[in-house]
Amino acid sequence: TQLLKQSPQFLSIQEGENLTVYCNSSSVFSSLQWYRQEPGEGPVLLVTVVTGGEVKKLKRLTFQFGDARKDSSLHITAAQPGDTGLYLCAETDSWGKLQFGAGTQVVVTP
Amino acid sequence: GAVVSQHPSWVICKSGTSVKIECRSLDFQATTMFWYRQFPKQSLMLMATSNEGSKATYEQGVEKDKFLINHASLTLSTLTVTSAHPEDSSFYICSAGGWVFTDTQYFGPGTRLTVL
Repeated sequence: TQLLKQSPQFLSIQEGENLTVYCNSSSVFSSLQWYRQEPGEGPVLLVTVVTGGEVKKLKRLTFQFGDARKDSSLHITAAQPGDTGLYLCAETDSWGKLQFGAGTQVVVTP
Repeated sequence: GAVVSQHPSWVICKSGTSVKIECRSLDFQATTMFWYRQFPKQSLMLMATSNEGSKATYEQGVEKDKFLINHASLTLSTLTVTSAHPEDSSFYICSAGGWVFTDTQYFGPGTRLTVL
């Protein structure tokens, strides 16, 4: 089982600023998923990236998958308080089980 | 589509009692359901994989006699925390997938368990 490392662990920014969170592994990802989890709720899938070098956009969120498929980033432009949450990257292993990173807690203050 | 519900959303119980948590797939058949536990400010940790009609597979370190899982139908899996203790207090989340080797899991809203 490969370990997914997320950084930073915690990020606090003002509304309107940009932020980037990272997910890395020493092994190649078959595919990678990004989730956002709000307090007291289950995680919600934001995107799945599969192809090395892939870039996906979801409104103000931009997801990149490294060419070697060992790293990924999530960039939020002009963050809003509604972006506050725990951002998790995850990979499905060969048994169909999701392995989650430790998460990045993002707080966007007005 | 692909909605997963959990019941109850929160529960408080006394130490030594048992608590059952239900996970339902509302609009699709889930051959596989997963149970996770999440402690405050931590990520999700997989507890067990539940396949309809067969015994659950538990992750290392998870006591199968304490966390009883039943997946009796394609839309319902239950997790029973037996003889609960305060250290079992946590956020329990289930997810459901159409079949084992899929990247897509649909998560429930979670159940907050507090053991006094």
